[in-house]
Parts: sequence; structure tokens; C-alpha cells
Amino acid sequence: SAVISQKPSRDICQRGTSLTIQCQVDSQVTMMFWYRQQPGQSLTLIATANQGSEATYESGFVIDKFPISRPNLTFSTLTVSNMSPEDSSIYLCSVEQTGTDTQYFGPGTRLTVL
Amino acid sequence: GENVEQHPSTLSVQEGDSAVIKCTYSDSASNYFPWYKQELGKRPQLIIDIRSNVGEKKDQRIAVTLNKTAKHFSLHITETQPEDSAVYFCAALRYNQGGKLIFGQGTELSVKP
Repeated sequence: SAVISQKPSRDICQRGTSLTIQCQVDSQVTMMFWYRQQPGQSLTLIATANQGSEATYESGFVIDKFPISRPNLTFSTLTVSNMSPEDSSIYLCSVEQTGTDTQYFGPGTRLTVL
Repeated sequence: GENVEQHPSTLSVQEGDSAVIKCTYSDSASNYFPWYKQELGKRPQLIIDIRSNVGEKKDQRIAVTLNKTAKHFSLHITETQPEDSAVYFCAALRYNQGGKLIFGQGTELSVKP
């Protein structure tokens, strides 16, 4: 499976600020996704990061709050904007092994907003 | 849209016993069902998956069964070991929705030595 890395691994931020999370894959992949995992909860899909076009957001998530970039087939960023304590979560990127439906997850970014 | 229900939310077993986790899904068009194991502070790891054209799949001590008619699938772990302790998530995917995985709520499995 692909090797996936995320930066930063964790951060503590002040409310009202923004944080950009990076996801890097060691091979080209078509499908990349961003998930949120709130404390003690399951995984919720935020959006599909589309290379060369705007991300596709799930219900309850909007571009102004979670802008996403996908400049190429190995890299994506998720920004959490104008943060509040409710944004404290683990944010995970995942990639689909091309043509298999199988998704593999990055190590996650643990965000705490004070 | 798809909805996945997972039970139980917590499960405690003695080492060597079997553990069973069950999930039901709502969308009959869902056709791929992975299971992930998440240890504390770590990423979800894929442990086994099954597609809708198969009824059962095994990998050593782990097996998954699928009943398409009833729209449920189950994870079976035999001869449990303390290192099996983790949170397990089931998920369902609808092929023509571009890889959108819908996750169950998770089951916290505790294996007592």
C-alpha cells in the first residue's frame, strides 16, 4: 500500500486562527479524501480532493470553512479556517488504491483549539 | 443516502474466546464493505474487506460474512489475543459515488488476559 504522511502531527491553536494540514503520498493516486474524527467518535468524510478542480464537499462542510487544495496526484492540503473549540478533532487524509475501492489512511493531525 | 449501524458499541471477551461485531447498511446499492482497526492514538488500519459478490472471506483468525438480502455484515475474530484490543469500524461504499465510505459508529473491543 502507499506510504502516506501528514504534517503537522498535532497542533494547539487559538480560536479565530487557521491551520493548514498537508498530506503527502509516495505514489500517484487518483482519489484523495479528508476525514474528521471527533474525540471518541467515528470517521466523517469532509470532502473529496479533486486534482485540478474544486473539492467535492459533504453535507455540513463548506469550502469557506475547510478550503482544500490538490495541486497534483501526490499532495493535498486541508485548511481549517477561523477555528473554534468545536473544531478540535483528528483530521485524516486517505487515498484510494487506484481501481480497488480500498482506502488507506494517513497518520492523522490532532488539532486542539483553545 | 447510506447509513451504517454497528453493534455492540463495546465488547469485552476473555483471551481465547471469539468476538463478533455486526453492521447493517441501508443502501442496497452498496457493494464494498471494509473493516478497520484503530489502536489508541493511531490511524485506522484496514484488516479485511468483502465485496457484494462474495458471502464470506477469511484471513487467519479474522473472517467477514455478508448477507446481501438482510443488508448486514459481520466481523468474526477467533482465538482473541490482548493485542486485538482496539476500536473496530465497519464501513460501506457505493461504487458509483466516487469512493464515498460511510462508517459505522465503532466497537471498542477489550480482550482480557
